[in-house]
Amino acid sequence: DQQVKQNSPSLSVQEGRISILNCDYTNSMFDYFLWYKKYPAEGPTFLISISSIKDKNEDGRFTVFLNKSAKHLSLHIVPSQPGDSAVYFCAASAGNQFYFGTGTSLTVIP
Amino acid sequence: GAGVSQSPRYKVAKRGQDVALRCDPISGHVSLFWYQQALGQGPEFLTYFQNEAQLDKSGLPSDRFFAERPEGSVSTLKIQRTQQEDSAVYLCASLIGAGASETQYFGPGTRLLVL
Repeated sequence: DQQVKQNSPSLSVQEGRISILNCDYTNSMFDYFLWYKKYPAEGPTFLISISSIKDKNEDGRFTVFLNKSAKHLSLHIVPSQPGDSAVYFCAASAGNQFYFGTGTSLTVIP
Repeated sequence: GAGVSQSPRYKVAKRGQDVALRCDPISGHVSLFWYQQALGQGPEFLTYFQNEAQLDKSGLPSDRFFAERPEGSVSTLKIQRTQQEDSAVYLCASLIGAGASETQYFGPGTRLLVL
């Protein structure tokens, strides 16, 4: 049973526009959420995280929003750049257990 | 090196062969995780170490899978009598502390193909 879901397998965005990647989870015990970026033939690279006590965390062009009541988080990338083209995984943790979504492939069109 | 390293990067095995996959975590990182990532899927948890202690192996798919971290640093994931369904990318991740609200850092993975 998938506890973390990314329902959009792919997303295409024009360079300079906003990219919004979504993630839903089912376990209310999750207290830490992360986004990873993955290029082909490489391991996932940590991008940004958020604790369950917050609803927003920002790092440069990347902002993660957490809506605990909806069990939903999203990653906003503004402005999107061609180098952002990759697969993005969201992950959630409770203690030492980490659960990953199936990923969203983002393509930023120049 | 500064990051997590894994070897080999690619491994082709004949069905029934035993394989050993190595992970060198970031120096000083207490926790180490192994994941299996099938094509088109996210990483799925296999097992977790805190120092040399294997605290959780609930994700290992069968008793053909075995992991160890005898000195609390390098870890080896061993798969005995490989099957075609074992073909996947095996990812190792480490984090600095005991895990709660911390960030995992991943290695590049070992891509295993069982023929």
